[in-house]
Amino acid sequence: GNSVTQMEGPVTLSEEAFLTINCTYTATGYPSLFWYVQYPGEGLQLLLKATKADDKGSNKGFEATYRKETTSFHLEKGSVQVSDSAVYFCALSDRGSQGNLIFGKGTKLSVKP
Amino acid sequence: EAGVAQSPRYKIIEKRQSVAFWCNPISGHATLYWYQQILGQGPKLLIQFQNNGVVDDSQLPKDRFSAERLKGVDSTLKIQPAKLEDSAVYLCASSLELAGNNEQFFGPGTRLTVL
Repeated sequence: GNSVTQMEGPVTLSEEAFLTINCTYTATGYPSLFWYVQYPGEGLQLLLKATKADDKGSNKGFEATYRKETTSFHLEKGSVQVSDSAVYFCALSDRGSQGNLIFGKGTKLSVKP
Repeated sequence: EAGVAQSPRYKIIEKRQSVAFWCNPISGHATLYWYQQILGQGPKLLIQFQNNGVVDDSQLPKDRFSAERLKGVDSTLKIQPAKLEDSAVYLCASSLELAGNNEQFFGPGTRLTVL
């Protein structure tokens, strides 16, 4: 079945450090891929998405590239800020499904000043 | 534009009691989802509605969980009777339509503790 595996947390970085959160997936067909973020005390919100191979999603300085050959969708940011502290979820939606999202377990990021 | 509303935000009950959660999706969104998020895990889909019809309830424990969306707008999720393992955050989400690349908008969730 479809699944998403993302790196275990928590991840603790200093402000302005480079961030990578790894995400790999298993899916039949060609899924759409997403990164959702959950800030403390808030609901999940979409950070970025990519709907086909080699697409790059980007938002708020974050980016991720849909790599079909490695079945990966790693999240990166060149310089993190304290305000980026949150839990990040990688997710996929199988095109054959009705829009159901399958999530990874989440990675908690803490950025220290 | 108002977001997805959920109530209550927190609920504590004893095992074998019943509980209900309410969700009001974003106006005009035809598709509504209920997810269960156990601590330390990602959300897992319980049920999905398109207007007032069920699209997918394959992961809903139907012996104790039920959900409805009678008028194609608000939805309620009920657990009866609750078990200890039902302790989780219950998330409601909505999207404009049924499609794999559509953005889902999430509510703040209801945190359920079963004692």
